[in-house]
Amino acid sequence: DIQMTQSPSSLSASVGDRVIITCRASQSTSSYLNWYQQKPGKAPKLLIYAASSLQSGVPSRFSGSGSGTDFTLTISSLQPEDFATYYCQQSYTTPPTFGQGTKVEIK
Amino acid sequence: EVQLLESGGDLVQPGGSLRLSCAASGFTFSSYGMTWVRQIPGKGLEWVSSINTSGGSTYYADSVKGRFTVSRDNSKNTLYLQMNSLTAEDTAVYYCAKGRGSGSSRREFDYWGQGTLVTVSS
Repeated sequence: DIQMTQSPSSLSASVGDRVIITCRASQSTSSYLNWYQQKPGKAPKLLIYAASSLQSGVPSRFSGSGSGTDFTLTISSLQPEDFATYYCQQSYTTPPTFGQGTKVEIK
Repeated sequence: EVQLLESGGDLVQPGGSLRLSCAASGFTFSSYGMTWVRQIPGKGLEWVSSINTSGGSTYYADSVKGRFTVSRDNSKNTLYLQMNSLTAEDTAVYYCAKGRGSGSSRREFDYWGQGTLVTVSS
């Protein structure tokens, strides 16, 4: 199975900050990498698929980049509604596997 | 509007069985692969099982293989997860999720249900 490792596990940031979350795969996943946002008590929401494609309806302040084993999710200007936990997930092969999550908290 | 509504979660004793359902609406259910993902409260996401459009191909995590069975009824727009020989380690919120497309994109999950809680305890 492909192991996904996110860093940091948590971060504190202020509204308006630029936030970068990284995800590393234990082997190449090409560009088959997705990012989800999850708020407490809610289901995950797809933000980015195929490493850099923005899911319909997702604000443009979210962007993704990377290929192979190293990927990033960037929030260009953090908004109050962005405080949540973010997960990366590889869709290159079965089983699809998730990172452990990055919790973005208010500073 | 795409909607996925899980049901069937409950408190069950170790060794017991449970069947989860996921009622889908707002899209052509028979055209998309479907998946179950679980989450221990306060923890991360774990893929459990997937099924292709026809139901002819199914996939399972090693942790549930031989105990869980995924199925679908395209005439009822419903996905199922039959869970047998349950243990405490199966306690989690179970989400159904829709694949975004075909090929590798079937493993990209663009819509999720609200989840149903399964608790395995004596």
